Parts: sequence; structure tokens; C-alpha cells
Amino acid sequence: QAVLTQPPSVSAASGQTVTVPCSGSYSNVGENFVSWYQQLPGTAPKLLIYDNNKRPSGIPDRFSGSKSGTSATLAITGLQTGDEADYYCGTWDNRLSTGVFGGGTKLTVL
Amino acid sequence: QVLQQDSGPRLVTPSQTLSLTCTVSGDSITRGGYYLNWIRQHPGKGLEWIGNLYYGGSTNYSPSLKSRLSISVDPSQNQFSLTLRSVTAADTAVYFCARGPSYCGTGDCYTRYFQDWGQGTLVTVFS
Repeated sequence: QAVLTQPPSVSAASGQTVTVPCSGSYSNVGENFVSWYQQLPGTAPKLLIYDNNKRPSGIPDRFSGSKSGTSATLAITGLQTGDEADYYCGTWDNRLSTGVFGGGTKLTVL
Repeated sequence: QVLQQDSGPRLVTPSQTLSLTCTVSGDSITRGGYYLNWIRQHPGKGLEWIGNLYYGGSTNYSPSLKSRLSISVDPSQNQFSLTLRSVTAADTAVYFCARGPSYCGTGDCYTRYFQDWGQGTLVTVFS
């Protein structure tokens, strides 16, 4: 049972926009930075967004992140078939003193 | 590749000890400001944070694994390692090493984000 809550799957048509929500609590999302990871099949996760809304070098600006209170959101615009992957949110939980992740969301591009 | 894990799957017998190593390349493992982490992923499941180590500082372990887990560093080899004792079938997973900058907020100090990842090692606990 993941500490952070994500929908198991989302889908949208090629070229459209999709959002992936991540819900937590004050002790994790509410108090700490949120990051997002993209995991293509059979590969290691890749950092997509850090510090709630910053993109590492090389990540297209089609990917963006935001945070409000105890929820965070990943948005992907101009969807491409290559974006089909699992997406995870992650942060630290001050009450548990552990790193925590969402259960992951599988993106399908129709 | 900044982080390199031992290649190839591992087969471990139940009740035995699992040991995995992650080599840091292109940077010194003793450089401050980074946490060295282990994260695992059960087959078809999500990511599970296992624990981390800050060189010259403390270690943090998942409460569910704390009694069986050790994370250590070997500066001479620029490596850090995971040791998990008394494994069971529930420990079958892909194990990733990951590194990220540290951050000290109002609560704990923690890995701000997982910047670099190893390629992962599939560990199967099988009798």
C-alpha cells in the first residue's frame, strides 16, 4: 500500500494534455519537495521533475509539475507515443522518517 | 552511467543473505551533499524506498526492513552496498541504487530527489 496516492492509469490522445495527480498528507507532500519519475518498460526510473516544478537538463518543457497543499500534479502536453510509461511521484515523510512513493500511474497514449 | 550495479540476475536461497553493490563513477563517493539510496520494485509493482546513507553521517532504514538491513560504504572502491539478511520470497524484486542531493528542512534531512539511478539488479529468492 503506497503512502502517496496516484490513479493506476490515465490515457489521452496523441497531441493532447494529460495530468497525473499525487495525493499525500502534511507530513510528506505538505512539508517536503515532490519529485516525479518516468519509468519505461524494463528500465530504471528517470528523474522528470524535482523540487515540485523544476526540470532537469534535457527534459522537454512539455513536462511540468506543480504542488498545492498536500497534492502534487504532473502535466504532460503534446502527448507522444514515446511518453507511454509508468510515472511515479516521490517525497520524504517526516512522520515515518522514510522515503515514500506513489503507487505509479500507467500512461497510455491513444 | 554515474551508478553501476553488478550485472546479471541474482538467485538467493531463503534464509540466506543478499548482498548488492553499487559503484559510483565520475565522482567521489566521499563528496558531501549526497545521500546514497537503495530502492526496490517487486514484480509488476511500484517503487519501495529501502534505505539510505550519508557519507560520514547517518543511515536511515525502512521500518519494515530495519531489523534485517545494513547499508555501508567503501570509499576505497567508490562503492556502497546493501546487505539484507534472512531473505524470503517477499524480497524477490529488482533492486536499484540511487543518488540524490541532501536537504534539511523543518524536519529530517532527506534525499531531495533521486537524480542518478543504477540499472537495477533482479534478485530472485528461490529454493
